[in-house]
Amino acid sequence: AQKITQTQPGMFVQEKEAVTLDCTYDTSDPSYGLFWYKQPSSGEMIFLIYQGSYDQQNATEGRYSLNFQKARKSANLVISASQLGDSAMYFCAMRPYNFNKFYFGSGTKLNVKP
Amino acid sequence: EAQVTQNPRYLITVTGKKLTVTCSQNMNHEYMSWYRQDPGLGLRQIYYSMNVEVTDKGDVPEGYKVSRKEKRNFPLILESPSPNQTSLYFCASSPGAFEQSGANVLTFGAGSRLTVL
Repeated sequence: AQKITQTQPGMFVQEKEAVTLDCTYDTSDPSYGLFWYKQPSSGEMIFLIYQGSYDQQNATEGRYSLNFQKARKSANLVISASQLGDSAMYFCAMRPYNFNKFYFGSGTKLNVKP
Repeated sequence: EAQVTQNPRYLITVTGKKLTVTCSQNMNHEYMSWYRQDPGLGLRQIYYSMNVEVTDKGDVPEGYKVSRKEKRNFPLILESPSPNQTSLYFCASSPGAFEQSGANVLTFGAGSRLTVL
């Protein structure tokens, strides 16, 4: 079965601190891609970062990094130096090679406190 | 500007009154898909299309229809809407089939909030 699990419905973090949002996945496909999207209160879906299953190194994009642990099937998003504008819903997603579908987790609502 | 455009953005309708949510992309993407977002459930795929005239069911297709007659357009049709279809709907597109390079990132439309009374 193809599945994405985000176990943190909501989180708080102090401004300027780092925060880790958890994501675990399940797939029998050896080739897959993992994505993180941000959804601010305005509602749009913003792509943050991508990790391929064959990538040897963790992906990074500015303040975002993806802590990819293939054996544990986890793809946690790390946001360094949190900003007030990081307050949003965050979704983890997966696309297996053999499936023309994207699978999304239930999301984590992050609140950054000043 | 590369974008996915969906309309209407907001709609309130009544049970049984057919409606169509349009979706258009200007990036020449082969892959298009529809999702619904509900609290606590994340995004669930309704239908997707790999190319013109090629569509397939996602995880929650009941009560919905789609068509892909042109590459750029992928409308979502609710033939007889019911209150349980009240939701936030997203159309999204990506260049094509899966690639390890990450070229298959989904680009989303702004969303359509539908209320069925």
